[in-house]
Amino acid sequence: QQQVKQSPQSLIVQKGGISIINCAYENTAFDYFPWYQQFPGKGPALLIAIRPDVSEKKEGRFTISFNKSAKQFSLHIMDSQPGDSATYFCAVPNTGTASKLTFGTGTRLQVTL
Amino acid sequence: SQTIHQWPATLVQPVGSPLSLECTVEGTSNPNLYWYRQAAGRGLQLLFYSVGIGQISSEVPQNLSASRTQDRQFILSSKKLLLSDSGFYLCAWTLGGNTEAFFGQGTRLTVV
Repeated sequence: QQQVKQSPQSLIVQKGGISIINCAYENTAFDYFPWYQQFPGKGPALLIAIRPDVSEKKEGRFTISFNKSAKQFSLHIMDSQPGDSATYFCAVPNTGTASKLTFGTGTRLQVTL
Repeated sequence: SQTIHQWPATLVQPVGSPLSLECTVEGTSNPNLYWYRQAAGRGLQLLFYSVGIGQISSEVPQNLSASRTQDRQFILSSKKLLLSDSGFYLCAWTLGGNTEAFFGQGTRLTVV
């Protein structure tokens, strides 16, 4: 069973600051590491994902950094905005045909003015 | 384009009553389907997943069951609800092969 450890549990960042959320996993037979964003009362939606043939992927203000040897990947939100206030989940897929995703416990981000 | 429909959005049910939540995917064929539950302020717990019609895998022993009799429909059921069944239920689909998961808007279930 895949184990995923996400930290911190909650995060408060001032507008314009950098938000950093970390995720650690146990197994290595995967090729897809996504981050999901969830607003209150809504289902999660894919924010950004990385495949481990690269160590970093950037999309606008969002960057994933991947460290295969440490079995960790992180989400960096540059120039954080109040609209980024949401819960963020990392996910790690299991092997097999079902493509199960094991989610981290989530990080509640609040960006203050 | 693909869409996922999940209903109802909210539901208040008495303890001991039955439950049926429906999830339907449009615009794709043979998706993998999932039911997750999210307790207040908590993470996503995988309850059931299905790789095809009639193929259901349960992740966590509980008071719930799932069924898939059509390719793009996934139903979550209970014969008798417990207070502990309250939560936010999410349906999702993927095309497999470690690809993006698409979630429905969720059902907020309150058992009273």
